[in-house]
Amino acid sequence: NAGVTQTPKFRVLKTGQSMTLLCAQDMNHEYMYWYRQDPGMGLRLIHYSVGEGTTAKGEVPDGYNVSRLKKQNFLLGLESAAPSQTSVYFCASSYVNEQYFGPGTRLTVT
Amino acid sequence: EDQVTQSPEALRLQEGESSSLNCSYTVSGLRGLFWYRQDPGKGPEFLFTLYSAGEEKEKERLKATLTKKESFLHITAPKPEDSATYLCAVQGAGGTSYGKLTFGQGTILTVHP
Repeated sequence: NAGVTQTPKFRVLKTGQSMTLLCAQDMNHEYMYWYRQDPGMGLRLIHYSVGEGTTAKGEVPDGYNVSRLKKQNFLLGLESAAPSQTSVYFCASSYVNEQYFGPGTRLTVT
Repeated sequence: EDQVTQSPEALRLQEGESSSLNCSYTVSGLRGLFWYRQDPGKGPEFLFTLYSAGEEKEKERLKATLTKKESFLHITAPKPEDSATYLCAVQGAGGTSYGKLTFGQGTILTVHP
């Protein structure tokens, strides 16, 4: 049981480049989430999904898009990266309440 | 809007010196209060869920308690391996039921041998 996995672990982008972060879970959870964690800001919800084929905006969705084509995968896309998107990104999944987090992706945008 | 405030921001303890971390919250109908542990460079690790005032949960040297306004994470006789950032989060009953968590900024605990 791998739990929640994220790829890649690290990435450096130049301003304007695009990329996709992949999250996978093997716990058959319905709900999946993308957060960003910044010093002094705590964890903030970007987008979430309540099931396959559904997505919704969280607290800080601007500049990001997501897709949930399969129940076990949740993709986070940056179409045109900006330095303000430098952060650590965490994916999480849950059955009902308790959320289980992945190891994170550290993204730097120069 | 749900809010979570954790104190202190940082806490240094000697091994064996018991203490408590505080999580104060405001929420429109509490569905659950969650404690997580986060080690440097890793994702948050789930510890406890508390649902109603008066509830307590224990795990090894940790005990979490809940009142209507705050939660405490008591650490008894801590060891250096308890050093981590402890995060508190709440889930409110208002609005959608998708499980949105509002996190505090965490308490950085350092336990010296």
